[in-house]
Amino acid sequence: QVQLVQSGSELKEPGASVKVSCKASGHSLSSHAMNWVRQAPGQGPEWMGWINTNTGIPTYAQGFTGRFVFSLDTSVSTAYLQISSLQSEDTAVYYCTRADYGDHNRLDSWGQGTMVTVSS
Amino acid sequence: QSALTQPASVSGSPGQSVTISCTGTSSDVGGFNYVSWHQQHPGKAPKLMIYDVSNRPSGVSNRFSGSKSANTASLTISGLQAEDEAVYYCSSYTSSSTLVFGGGTKLTVL
Repeated sequence: QVQLVQSGSELKEPGASVKVSCKASGHSLSSHAMNWVRQAPGQGPEWMGWINTNTGIPTYAQGFTGRFVFSLDTSVSTAYLQISSLQSEDTAVYYCTRADYGDHNRLDSWGQGTMVTVSS
Repeated sequence: QSALTQPASVSGSPGQSVTISCTGTSSDVGGFNYVSWHQQHPGKAPKLMIYDVSNRPSGVSNRFSGSKSANTASLTISGLQAEDEAVYYCSSYTSSSTLVFGGGTKLTVL
């Protein structure tokens, strides 16, 4: 059974950093591209970008460059999202979601989401 | 890339059919057959219901169907059931090799 299991909720102060993990089970991490999606409270999803799970090369959407880093640890089948210099506007649920390499919009499995709250 | 345009809400009675539209441009919805629809219940992750305009993943009810005409894609849910009440989001691949989502449509089953 394909599963993406994310790390738990985080409460951070402005200016801090956070690292969200996404562990793949039931399939090989390298079989699919890994996307990251942000959903602010009461808003629709926003695509942040994706990482090639074979090469480790990330692609970031406009608005998610600089403070956002996608990475992998293939030895533990896990993808990571790190956000630095956190701002209140980063408060959101962050999802990892896999997609076919041949069909990047076929987001067929999603993690349960990680709530990141930025507050002093 | 601007978000795709969806109606804020739709409603229907049990057993009826409803259709949700998703309007983009020739650079996204109209330019590719890579439109997906996701269902999201409160506090839950989105779930893929339709991909590539009209394909259903394994396990998704055939009451869900998708179509596209020019720059507008549509999701039709027939035989409405109480469990269908959720927010539905469309998404599309774009000419910039990115993905873009719609703002979401809240479906209320009366």
